[in-house]
Amino acid sequence: GAGVSQSPSNKVTEKGKDVELRCDPISGHTALYWYRQSLGQGLEFLIYFQGNSAPDKSGLPSDRFSAERTGGSVSTLTIQRTQQEDSAVYLCASSRGRIEQFFGPGTRLTVL
Amino acid sequence: TQLLEQSPQFLSIQEGENLTVYCNSSSVFSSLQWYRQEPGEGPVLLVTVVTGGEVKKLKRLTFQFGDARKDSSLHITAAQPGDTGLYLCAGGSSSNTGKLIFGQGTTLQVKP
Repeated sequence: GAGVSQSPSNKVTEKGKDVELRCDPISGHTALYWYRQSLGQGLEFLIYFQGNSAPDKSGLPSDRFSAERTGGSVSTLTIQRTQQEDSAVYLCASSRGRIEQFFGPGTRLTVL
Repeated sequence: TQLLEQSPQFLSIQEGENLTVYCNSSSVFSSLQWYRQEPGEGPVLLVTVVTGGEVKKLKRLTFQFGDARKDSSLHITAAQPGDTGLYLCAGGSSSNTGKLIFGQGTTLQVKP
């Protein structure tokens, strides 16, 4: 596809379970970002990958959150031992440069 | 820590009215972007401004970046129901890593 894709679109899980969220960036985009958005609010930066450089993990809220990017393309955000406060929409974006980011539709995570 | 204060948080107006959304910070940003987001979708980039004092127009939308690159405004002329959505400002990190700092968003409703 031409845009950023994310899967699943919706995920409902029970408190304490682990979840994996996937992001497929636009082909050729070297930078990939993860953000979290609470209902009707702005986006909270989580993590940023740029090429082969070490990722900027400064936005990860706890050590239960981790992300990897394999082969410079697909990325997976993992949340271990999910808590109710983790419920949010998780958005992925990619960019070719450092300014314009293109967002996917997001994964809505609900932790019961 | 860089923060962006966006106001107003909610705005409900009649079709044909004008409106302005503000985005303010005490920090300097390398760039300022405005996004529009509809329910169930990711944010879509409207404009990027990078030079202090810069003004950009996109049909009925006018974007301005403050001279000191600490604030920005979005002005919509003769709003239409199709303008309804969540408007987000985002500042490029002063460390120029590509990370974006988002405002809390302005939910705009334009009534026919």
